Amino acid sequence: EAQVTQNPRYLITVTGKKLTVTCSQNMNHEYMSWYRQDPGLGLRQIYYSMNVEVTDKGDVPEGYKVSRKEKRNFPLILESPSPNQTSLYFCASSSPIYSPDTQYFGPGTRLTVL
Amino acid sequence: ELKVEQNPLFLSMQEGKNYTIYCNYSTTSDRLYWYRQDPGKSLESLFVLLSNGAVKQEGRLMASLDTKARLSTLHITAAVHDLSATYFCAVGPTTRSHYGGATNKLIFGTGTLLAVQP
Repeated sequence: EAQVTQNPRYLITVTGKKLTVTCSQNMNHEYMSWYRQDPGLGLRQIYYSMNVEVTDKGDVPEGYKVSRKEKRNFPLILESPSPNQTSLYFCASSSPIYSPDTQYFGPGTRLTVL
Repeated sequence: ELKVEQNPLFLSMQEGKNYTIYCNYSTTSDRLYWYRQDPGKSLESLFVLLSNGAVKQEGRLMASLDTKARLSTLHITAAVHDLSATYFCAVGPTTRSHYGGATNKLIFGTGTLLAVQP
């Protein structure tokens, strides 16, 4: 089954404790992205990646890091989480080769930083 | 800077009625997407619109794109309760990455919460 998986699905942590949210897709997609969703603000893109070792900042990259060492994985790293990073996070993947360039979203990770 | 505005933010409508959600964007774009999100769930892709005048339909939903007006519409025909959800448009700017290639940068609208009353 074609899917995007994220782990963990729920996480409560404390300020400053480094964490990683994993994202994996099994569709051989070139493109992957991370978004955060906050009430009243819609989804905002944090980082996106066009392929292995090719990443770029989205609209809200501060406080986040990403890496794309393998095509299927795109982890999101919070080196020193702060309460303003409490949010719902989505990973997504797509391919510029396949029509119609549909983006597939993971189930989401709800993060609370105390 | 690309901005995407959706109207209305909240829409309460009766079953059987028609309505339209609007998505305006501020700079040139080569792709526009519509997504649906049910409460507590992830996003589901509805439509991808890639050219001026593109129109796509699925069931009671029809999306169109006017790149000259920088406007996309999502039209709901004879609404049913199952269509209750939040609908997002998202726009991909016609920018190149600093590597020179196309990007998957996307800007989302703030969403329209649709509530269809029996």
